[in-house]
Amino acid sequence: SAVISQKPSRDICQRGTSLTIQCQVDSQVTMMFWYRQQPGQSLTLIATANQGSEATYESGFVIDKFPISRPNLTFSTLTVSNMSPEDSSIYLCSVGTGAVYQETQYFGPGTRLLVL
Amino acid sequence: GENVEQHPSTLSVQEGDSAVIKCTYSDSASNYFPWYKQELGKRPQLIIDIRSNVGEKKDQRIAVTLNKTAKHFSLHITETQPEDSAVYFCAAPLTGKLIFGQGTTLQVKP
Repeated sequence: SAVISQKPSRDICQRGTSLTIQCQVDSQVTMMFWYRQQPGQSLTLIATANQGSEATYESGFVIDKFPISRPNLTFSTLTVSNMSPEDSSIYLCSVGTGAVYQETQYFGPGTRLLVL
Repeated sequence: GENVEQHPSTLSVQEGDSAVIKCTYSDSASNYFPWYKQELGKRPQLIIDIRSNVGEKKDQRIAVTLNKTAKHFSLHITETQPEDSAVYFCAAPLTGKLIFGQGTTLQVKP
């Protein structure tokens, strides 16, 4: 398995501001994934981040709202832009370690975001 | 469409009893089925997975069974313990991503 860390672990932000979440992995991985988990809900994929190319966003998520960087094979950032209370959620990064990249995913500890 | 259905949404068992959680998927091409356990305030943790070339996989008290014809797979936990209390998620792959079920909250009563 991979060791994954996220920063910050939690934050309280004012509406209209932006927050950048960092995800660091202890080994090189091809694909990193960003999920949102609203309280009591399942995991919803925001986007897939591949090093050296633009992230692929899922329906309902756009780059202007959730810009993603993937500068190397061990690091990625997700920015939540122009936040509103509806963005309050847990944001998780994950890495795929299987031969097929979306398989055998391991998750970071998550970032708990509260927007006031 | 992209769909993984998980049942039940909540499950309460007595310590020592067995628990079974079932998921159905829609894409017959899916060939990898993981299960995650998420304790309160913690990250989802991969506990077991199965590939479509086997029908069952066991790891101590947990097992997963797969019925490709019916497109469903199940998590079995035997001799449940209070520390098994958590939310369990199944998932199935579709077009380069994992689709997660809605989750099952398992409560094991001592």
